Amino acid sequence: SYELTQPPSVSVSPGQTARITCSGDALPKQYAYWYQQKPGQAPVLVIYKDSERPSGIPERFSGSSSGTTVTLTISGVQAEDEADYYCQSADSSGTCVVFGGGTKLTVL
Amino acid sequence: EVQLVESGGGLVQPGGSLRLSCAASGFTFSSYAMSWVRQAPGKGLEWVSAISGSGGSTYYADSVKGRFTISRDNSKNTLYLQMNSLRAEDTAVYYCAKDGRGTGGYGDYAYWGQGTLVTVSS
Repeated sequence: SYELTQPPSVSVSPGQTARITCSGDALPKQYAYWYQQKPGQAPVLVIYKDSERPSGIPERFSGSSSGTTVTLTISGVQAEDEADYYCQSADSSGTCVVFGGGTKLTVL
Repeated sequence: EVQLVESGGGLVQPGGSLRLSCAASGFTFSSYAMSWVRQAPGKGLEWVSAISGSGGSTYYADSVKGRFTISRDNSKNTLYLQMNSLRAEDTAVYYCAKDGRGTGGYGDYAYWGQGTLVTVSS
C-alpha cells in the first residue's frame, strides 16, 4: 500500500525556520496537503495543492514540491506553532487517501 | 459557515456494530465528496473511507474494507459510517471531513467535525 514518510520530530528555536519533509512516490502526480493539529483539537488545513495557503493561515506557513518530496516551511516560528503536522495526498489512481505518520514540531 | 457535527460514538464490544452520523450544514452537501478519518489514542491520522457527492462511488482503506460501509443521504445533508465486526484496533476518534471536490479519493480537507470517540472493548 502507498505510504508517505515524514520525520517523527523537528525542533527549532523561536524565530528560526522549521522545515518538515514528506516523501512519497506518487507526489509528482498528486497534490499534497498539510494539516496542523494541536492536542485535543481537530486538524487544521495550513497548505493545500502543494503550496497554496488557505485564508486565515499566517504567511509564515509555505509549501513547496520537488519530485517525490514536498516540504512545509514555517518561517519565524512562534511558540503557538508547536503542534503535530501531517502531510496528506492520494495514490496515483486517486482512489485512496494517505496521511503521513506525522511530525511533532517542538519550539525550544 | 460550514459545520460538521458527528454523533453515534460510544463503547461497543468486540465483534459488535455501531453507526456514526455526520450532520452537515453551510454548503451544498451533494456537490462535495465526504470522508471519515480516524485517530487512535496517541497515534496519527488514518483515512478510513470516502464517498462521492452523488453517493455513486465509495472508497475504503484496506484496514476496514468488508467491515465498514460509508453512505450519505443528500436529502438530509447527512453522512454515515456503518461499522461492523469491530475490533479493539478500531478504537479511535472518528472525524468526518469535507473533501475539496465532488469525487472522493483525493482529500483536501478544509473542514472537519469535532470528532466522536469509538471505544471497542469488553
